[in-house]
Amino acid sequence: DVKVTQSSRYLVKRTGEKVFLECVQDMDHENMFWYRQDPGLGLRLIYFSYDVKMKEKGDIPEGYSVSREKKERFSLILESASTSQTSMYLCASSSPRRGWRNIQYFGAGTRLSVL
Amino acid sequence: GQSLEQPSEVTAVEGAIVQINCTYQTSGFYGLSWYQQHDGGAPTFLSYNALDGLEETGRFSSFLSRSDSYGYLLLQELQMKDSASYFCAPDGGGATNKLIFGTGTLLAVQP
Repeated sequence: DVKVTQSSRYLVKRTGEKVFLECVQDMDHENMFWYRQDPGLGLRLIYFSYDVKMKEKGDIPEGYSVSREKKERFSLILESASTSQTSMYLCASSSPRRGWRNIQYFGAGTRLSVL
Repeated sequence: GQSLEQPSEVTAVEGAIVQINCTYQTSGFYGLSWYQQHDGGAPTFLSYNALDGLEETGRFSSFLSRSDSYGYLLLQELQMKDSASYFCAPDGGGATNKLIFGTGTLLAVQP
């Protein structure tokens, strides 16, 4: 089974802190994604990566950066956390489309509270 | 631009059949997928339609009409455990496997 592991289930940080959210996948997937999920707003893509050291902005990249130094690990960085970044953060991974299906596998999520 | 529409909430009773509709507009399109998310849990893959027509997997079926930019998820013999949010997610194509998620449909199954 594919396993996507997020380092923390719950995290509480203070405004202005630098926050690292870590995600590791064990299926040798090329593609990795960071989403945030807020009530009424659904899943919104923050950043994604299609290869080591390669990244692209998603729909809401402001206030975030990412790092992918190794294929299995994709980190989301909040440079200076703000209360507006209080949210559930979900990591996902997928392999390049082979055949006809495109499946993303999600981690359990990190619920971040910024006080 | 791109847009995605599905109902925000649906309520049904145990044993019934429910259909969750999805209409989309994307700049590219390769297929339509559906994900289930229980409260507090991670989204999990349910189905993927690349071709027009109905795909059946047990109690769940998913339908796609590319010409109408429309799809639906059909859940039969509803069980209490089917209470969850359901997301349709168009696949815009390309090598990066990006999916477009919306706000989802919250399904409440009542006894």
